Amino acid sequence: DIQMTQSPSSLSASIGDRVTITCRASQNIRNYLNWFQQKPGKAPKLLIYGASNLQSGVPSRFSGSGSGTEFTLTISSLQPEDFATYYCQQSYSIPFMYTFGPGTKLEIK
Amino acid sequence: EVQLVQSGAEVKKPGESLRISCKGSGYTFTSYGIGWVRQMPGKGLEWMGIIYPGDSNTGYSPSFQGQVTISADKSITTAYLQWSSLKASDTAIYYCARRGRPAGATVYVPDYWGQGTLVTVSS
Repeated sequence: DIQMTQSPSSLSASIGDRVTITCRASQNIRNYLNWFQQKPGKAPKLLIYGASNLQSGVPSRFSGSGSGTEFTLTISSLQPEDFATYYCQQSYSIPFMYTFGPGTKLEIK
Repeated sequence: EVQLVQSGAEVKKPGESLRISCKGSGYTFTSYGIGWVRQMPGKGLEWMGIIYPGDSNTGYSPSFQGQVTISADKSITTAYLQWSSLKASDTAIYYCARRGRPAGATVYVPDYWGQGTLVTVSS
């Protein structure tokens, strides 16, 4: 099975900061990596798919990069609505297994 | 508009059975998989498994194999997640998600999500 890790597990930052979250896969998943944002009491929301493609309607301050086993999610200038938990997910192991990372909680400093 | 609407919150006792539902609308139900995701209180997201309603092909994460059953009824565009004997550790929010393809994309990803169903198992 493919295992996903994320770092850091939590992060404190200020409005306007640039923030980077890292996700690593236990084996090569090419670019089959997605990023989700989840706010308390809400369903996850797709931000980035295929490692670097911005989902429709997602602000351009979000970007993704990487391939193989190491990936990053960057928020270029934090806004108040960005404080949430972020999860990476691999979609390489079709047709059945889509493993999530453990999550990164982004909090206000 | 694509929508996934899940059934309401449930409170059950250990040992009871349960089936929760996820109704898809606004797209061709048989063309896309429906996955289920567990989120235990205060914890992260766990992929449970997926069904492809077109041919009913189903698969489970090893952690959930034998613990739950995923099914679908094409005639009413609804997917199900069921338990035959609930445990207190099944207390969680359960989300369904469509394995779809964003506009212009070549990959399939969980693009639309239901609102979640809270299942509470307590004696």
